[in-house]
Amino acid sequence: GAVVSQHPSRVICKSGTSVKIECRSLDFQATTMFWYRQFPKQSLMLMATSNEGSKATYEQGVEKDKFLINHASLTLSTLTVTSAHPEDSSFYICSARHRPGVETQYFGPGTRLLVL
Amino acid sequence: QQQVKQSPQSLIVQKGGISIINCAYENTAFDYFPWYQQFPGKGPALLIAIRPDVSEKKEGRFTISFNKSAKQFSLHIMDSQPGDSATYFCAASKGGNTPLVFGKGTRLSVIA
Repeated sequence: GAVVSQHPSRVICKSGTSVKIECRSLDFQATTMFWYRQFPKQSLMLMATSNEGSKATYEQGVEKDKFLINHASLTLSTLTVTSAHPEDSSFYICSARHRPGVETQYFGPGTRLLVL
Repeated sequence: QQQVKQSPQSLIVQKGGISIINCAYENTAFDYFPWYQQFPGKGPALLIAIRPDVSEKKEGRFTISFNKSAKQFSLHIMDSQPGDSATYFCAASKGGNTPLVFGKGTRLSVIA
């Protein structure tokens, strides 16, 4: 299957700082990427849909000013958690569609964020 | 409103046995149904997927059974192995660029 990478794999930061997470499609171009967060022993919760060259579409209840998403190229989307707080600690996972109009989504390995 | 309901929440199966996980959906616009496997601390990995125009799809030890009229689909893992111990998620989408809707997950433990 297609390969999606994320960086960093884990990050620890102090409360009030900002953290950027990168999501890359390594062997294909992804016009659409998705960002999820997952709390321990829970399912994946969609945060936003990221489209290359346009503004992200956020799910209800997700603060777009807190979770900044940029999809500047066909292989890179970034999620910036601004002014992070302990309640933002979670597992953040991105996914990408292999081809436009094809439903198959490939997920990255995830980024574990711990805010102290 | 939970669009995809998954059961059981957890499952313990003997090595060599059959693991069965069930999902039910409500939205008849869904037309793509994948299953993902997730190990602790890792991202989900696509196992197998089906569309509603077929009733069954098999890939190795993994089989999806699909019942369109009942709006249900299930994952069968034949000859379950300890290495299959993971969390399994069913999902559904309406096609195009719409996102996946996930079930709550099933924690499978295969014991020797």
